[in-house]
Amino acid sequence: GAVVSQHPSRVICKSGTSVKIECRSLDFQATTMFWYRQFPKQSLMLMATSNEGSKATYEQGVEKDKFLINHASLTLSTLTVTSAHPEDSSFYICSATSGIYNEQFFGPGTRLTVL
Amino acid sequence: AQTVTQSQPEMSVQEAETVTLSCTYDTSESDYYLFWYKQPPSRQMILVIRQEAYKQQNATENRFSVNFQKAAKSFSLKISDSQLGDAAMYFCAYRSGNQGGSEKLVFGKGTKLTVNP
Repeated sequence: GAVVSQHPSRVICKSGTSVKIECRSLDFQATTMFWYRQFPKQSLMLMATSNEGSKATYEQGVEKDKFLINHASLTLSTLTVTSAHPEDSSFYICSATSGIYNEQFFGPGTRLTVL
Repeated sequence: AQTVTQSQPEMSVQEAETVTLSCTYDTSESDYYLFWYKQPPSRQMILVIRQEAYKQQNATENRFSVNFQKAAKSFSLKISDSQLGDAAMYFCAYRSGNQGGSEKLVFGKGTKLTVNP
């Protein structure tokens, strides 16, 4: 199957700083990428859907100005958590797909800890 | 809006035995896909099996099979000959039918499967 990577796998930052997480499709062109958030022992919560070259579509309740999503190329999407606070600590997962596939391919996730 | 319900927060099975995980969903759509994903302790999401709603035949992948009851909106996962490596969180997911596959997934809350040696 297709491969999706995320970087970094783990990040610790101070409260008030911004953190950028990268999601890359390594062997296919991803027309659509998704960003999820997962709290311990809970399910995945979709944050936003991004299509290459377009603005991301955010789910209800997700702050657009806090979670900036950019999908500038067919192989890269970034999630920037701006002015991070301890409550933003979570596991962030991206997934990607394209028109030739009938499923989403998931990245390995990024654990964010905000001190 | 579509919803997915997994009524079993935790399940356990003896190694080599069979276990069935339950999933029900609610939708008014006729064209959709259903998935079972496995999330082991590494937290990497792994696709276990997929079912297209228009197919009457239940999907199978080696030791994994589903019982898809469209009228009842039920989509259970059966794991045969359970192995220690099957221990993980299992998520049932729904996706609207879309040729491009760009529709979002709706996940259930998950079932934690423990495999006892």
